[in-house]
Amino acid sequence: GESVGLHLPTLSVQEGDNSIINCAYSNSASDYFIWYKQESGKGPQFIIDIRSNMDKRQGQRVTVLLNKTVKHLSLQIAATQPGDSAVYFCAENKGAAGNKLTFGGGTRVLVKP
Amino acid sequence: DVKVTQSSRYLVKRTGEKVFLECVQDMDHENMFWYRQDPGLGLRLIYFSYDVKMKEKGDIPEGYSVSREKKERFSLILESASTNQTSMYLCASGRRGARAGGYTFGSGTRLTVV
Repeated sequence: GESVGLHLPTLSVQEGDNSIINCAYSNSASDYFIWYKQESGKGPQFIIDIRSNMDKRQGQRVTVLLNKTVKHLSLQIAATQPGDSAVYFCAENKGAAGNKLTFGGGTRVLVKP
Repeated sequence: DVKVTQSSRYLVKRTGEKVFLECVQDMDHENMFWYRQDPGLGLRLIYFSYDVKMKEKGDIPEGYSVSREKKERFSLILESASTNQTSMYLCASGRRGARAGGYTFGSGTRLTVV
């Protein structure tokens, strides 16, 4: 999920399987992280967030894991559904004024029926 | 239902034209942001504003300016459009002091400069 230029990584997953989307972040001083989901033709929508004093947070069918040692973030989606097909972005907040976010390049998830 | 509304979904402009992208939010949010989105590069911050008439440069402000005359409206201006400004532009808003997870994004304006 890290920004690597013009190529968007794609994860194909069978309906009903679990999905894991990975993201490497850049700044060890970042203290807040967010996952967004963007469906075709729409703006990003908030999925789940986590603060740097935590290493795991669970939502409905989603779990975010944070490994500060290696600056790695992951999003796990349980029992992936067709409606989960989208581009997923991680974002880090470096605590600057105005809560500026730095986004990763995104990962496209395709759910196969 | 809270909304961030971007005035146009698609725009085609000529090189050298002055282009205005409008964004309106109905949530009384203090913070507003303009991002551009390009494949594989994620969202990159152009400008943001944390109050009326206030603006701050983001990571890629060159070739852009902004205007925030009213709290609910944040305009992005391309002074002289160039082909490398062909992109998807996303506006977002959020409450002051709120963590960024509280941001609401618009649906985007896809701008093509020919």
